[in-house]
Amino acid sequence: QVQLQESGPGLVEPSGTLSLTCAVSGGSISSENWWTWVRQSPGKAPEWIGELSKSGISNYNPPLKSRVTISVDKSKNQFSLTLKSVTAADTAVYYCATTSINWCPADQWGRGTPVTVSS
Amino acid sequence: QSALTQPPSASGSPGQSVTVSCTGTSNDVGSYNYVSWYQHQPGKAPKLLISDVNKRRSGVPDRFSGSKSGNTAYLTVSGLQAEDEADYYCTSFAGYNNFYVFGTGTKVTVL
Repeated sequence: QVQLQESGPGLVEPSGTLSLTCAVSGGSISSENWWTWVRQSPGKAPEWIGELSKSGISNYNPPLKSRVTISVDKSKNQFSLTLKSVTAADTAVYYCATTSINWCPADQWGRGTPVTVSS
Repeated sequence: QSALTQPPSASGSPGQSVTVSCTGTSNDVGSYNYVSWYQHQPGKAPKLLISDVNKRRSGVPDRFSGSKSGNTAYLTVSGLQAEDEADYYCTSFAGYNNFYVFGTGTKVTVL
């Protein structure tokens, strides 16, 4: 089983861009079929952000689709999340995850990284 | 797409059973047998317990079981143990527009 570790700035200014990276260890990133990001804002249900397949197919949550990009760097065994034009509503704990189970959004998870949007 | 509804809390004594419900709609839980359950303990990564309504992930004790009826899915933990104290979340596939929706979460306490 792979291990996942999120990293990135814990504070982002409003209207700025949130960029997070998920480092995969203990195996090849390509051993998993889908690379996923999920977030959970305080007091709310987790929210699926989107996923990228190892064949290059991306799917995003419709409310976020215009602002989100998930990309991969296989040479570094990591994948990334970019979220543009952030507001306070984007304050959340962000989790990266992977899965090879069809129609299951996440199998292996990272521990999450908190991100606050504030000036 | 609204979150799936779970009770905020559930509890039981060691050895007892507890069942957590996850209520959606005909657009998600009711239409697809693609409900997953996760366990999340403080400071740890969430852990996948069950996928496809009732398929236990490898290594998950058979005390954990899943089922579904109509628009509601269920997670049952039998023979509760202290280590089962955690937050539990469901998620369902919701079609190729919305993809996945999560539940509101249930805190299970072992008395």
